[in-house]
Amino acid sequence: TQLLEQSPQFLSIQEGENLTVYCNSSSVFSSLQWYRQEPGEGPVLLVTVVTGGEVKKLKRLTFQFGDARKDSSLHITAAQTGDTGLYLCAGAEMESSGDKLTFGTGTRLAVRP
Amino acid sequence: ETGVTQSPTHLIKTRGQQVTLRCSSQSGHNTVSWYQQALGQGPQFIFQYYREEENGRGNFPPRFSGLQFPNYSSELNVNALELDDSALYLCASSPGLAGANGRTDTQYFGPGTRLTVL
Repeated sequence: TQLLEQSPQFLSIQEGENLTVYCNSSSVFSSLQWYRQEPGEGPVLLVTVVTGGEVKKLKRLTFQFGDARKDSSLHITAAQTGDTGLYLCAGAEMESSGDKLTFGTGTRLAVRP
Repeated sequence: ETGVTQSPTHLIKTRGQQVTLRCSSQSGHNTVSWYQQALGQGPQFIFQYYREEENGRGNFPPRFSGLQFPNYSSELNVNALELDDSALYLCASSPGLAGANGRTDTQYFGPGTRLTVL
């Protein structure tokens, strides 16, 4: 069974601070995805990283895929209250009929004004 | 707005009962996946359907079953409900072309159905 562990589990920071969330596994994935989920809603895809060592930026969010494609990180610069939510990483096993996702344990972020 | 809808939004059942949850995928999406998300945890993969046939299953007992219909709707059925089945149930649809084109298939999640088993 493939497992993805995220750290930290909970994070409460002040607006304007920086933070990093980590996603680690002992397994190799075809790709790794990051989602954000708000209360009462399903997860929304933020980014997909495919190549080992890949770095992607989405405004204040920077995503990195480890060289061995087993781990990833999400860095948020100058956090805003709107960044509050549950951040999930998910490893994808690419198959012809559609990816099967293994989700991490989640990191709950609270950004205080 | 992902174009994926689920019904009902909330449901309360008692132990031993049966439940059917419904999902309407985006038009043209051949693949639907179902996930269980317990409170405070990440979603867990239940199973996936591709062109109306089950295509992969997670670590869930046979009392969890599903159906996918040609009109891009699908169902998740759970028999003999247990207290631990209380969770948010998510469906996600995708075009289902990942491996064929060598690219990752984006999954679009619905808002979920919150099931409470008493």
